[in-house]
Amino acid sequence: GQNIDQPTEMTATEGAIVQINCTYQTSGFNGLFWYQQHAGEAPTFLSYNVLDGLEEKGRFSSFLSRSKGYSYLLLKELQMKDSASYLCAAMDSNYQLIWGAGTKLIIKP
Amino acid sequence: NAGVTQTPKFRVLKTGQSMTLLCAQDMNHEYMYWYRQDPGMGLRLIHYSVGEGTTAKGEVPDGYNVSRLKKQNFLLGLESAAPSQTSVYFCASSYSPERVGELFFGEGSRLTVL
Repeated sequence: GQNIDQPTEMTATEGAIVQINCTYQTSGFNGLFWYQQHAGEAPTFLSYNVLDGLEEKGRFSSFLSRSKGYSYLLLKELQMKDSASYLCAAMDSNYQLIWGAGTKLIIKP
Repeated sequence: NAGVTQTPKFRVLKTGQSMTLLCAQDMNHEYMYWYRQDPGMGLRLIHYSVGEGTTAKGEVPDGYNVSRLKKQNFLLGLESAAPSQTSVYFCASSYSPERVGELFFGEGSRLTVL
């Protein structure tokens, strides 16, 4: 079957760095996506990886290892506004997104 | 530029009632989707459309119907609501085909079925 695993909840300190891991098993693979979702709001697109390696976008970076079925989202210089859920999604061979349940990130001052 | 707009934002139904959720996008996107989001679970695809006049079933289509009569609108219908359909519903759209995984979501519609 197809499956996405990510931690349910993480806590970090303002100004610090946090890494949110995601492992996936899909029938075929056409990319790994990260979305941010603030409580009570819609998800918003953060990043896309289809090749192995690191993609950097400001304070946020995303890494992919296709051979390991593994990705992580790295958030640097954490700010209180980064408190949100982070959703990992993998695209299968039919171009359908398989979603993880999300990681709730709590930022403490 | 409104993006993706969903109506209504909130609705309470009694078991057996029917209703329609409307999704409108002004980005000229070909692909549109209806998802539901429940606590502790990932987003689950209900139905989707790859263009005007076309619809297809997603992961959890039972109890729902959809229509895409106009490119900018995607309607989700519940013919006979059940408590198991209590959820937050998100509509989304995307470019096709190269950026189909970059979804633009509406604000969500919170539905409670009593």
